[in-house]
Amino acid sequence: AQSVTQPDIHITVSEGASLELRCNYSYGATPYLFWYVQSPGQGLQLLLKYFSGDTLVQGIKGFEAEFKRSQSSFNLRKPSVHWSDAAEYFCAVGERAGGTSYGKLTFGQGTILTVHP
Amino acid sequence: EAGVAQSPRYKIIEKRQSVAFWCNPISGHATLYWYQQILGQGPKLLIQFQNNGVVDDSQLPKDRFSAERLKGVDSTLKIQPAKLEDSAVYLCASSTRGLTYEQYFGPGTRLTVT
Repeated sequence: AQSVTQPDIHITVSEGASLELRCNYSYGATPYLFWYVQSPGQGLQLLLKYFSGDTLVQGIKGFEAEFKRSQSSFNLRKPSVHWSDAAEYFCAVGERAGGTSYGKLTFGQGTILTVHP
Repeated sequence: EAGVAQSPRYKIIEKRQSVAFWCNPISGHATLYWYQQILGQGPKLLIQFQNNGVVDDSQLPKDRFSAERLKGVDSTLKIQPAKLEDSAVYLCASSTRGLTYEQYFGPGTRLTVT
């Protein structure tokens, strides 16, 4: 069964500092990988996704993530954090569709980001 | 383009009562998902529809939860009777090609069971 681990429940950074949020996944084949962001009282918004190809993926709002197969990781990074980035971030793995698989998404427990001015 | 709509946004009920949530997906999206997000956890898929057929309901507590998607568009998720542990945010999402392609989420319904 697929699973996602986000080791950091809560991270605090200063505005303008760099950011890295960790994500490790377990999946039997090459996965689909996603990062979502959730602001208080809001639904989830897709930041970026990896399906195949270049392992460094660019997303919206200046975020990027790198897929490292050898480490089963898909860490999210941003070079300079803005106060508006404060939110909860979720990593997710999606199974590839086919046969009896319908492309289910499994989410990690999330990392809450606090940004100090 | 209008996003995924959900109602109500908030609901407070007593245990053993019933409750229903409504979702209107983005127009043209064939796949619709219902997730349960308990405080401090990531969303957990409850049920997935492809048009109006169920393709995955393996994590739906079928003794108390039910869902339908009429005519392959709107969907309703019902809980009857509710338990305290059902307190959560219920998120609806939709996607075009389904099957792990980009899912668009609604704002969710926050349910509190007292």
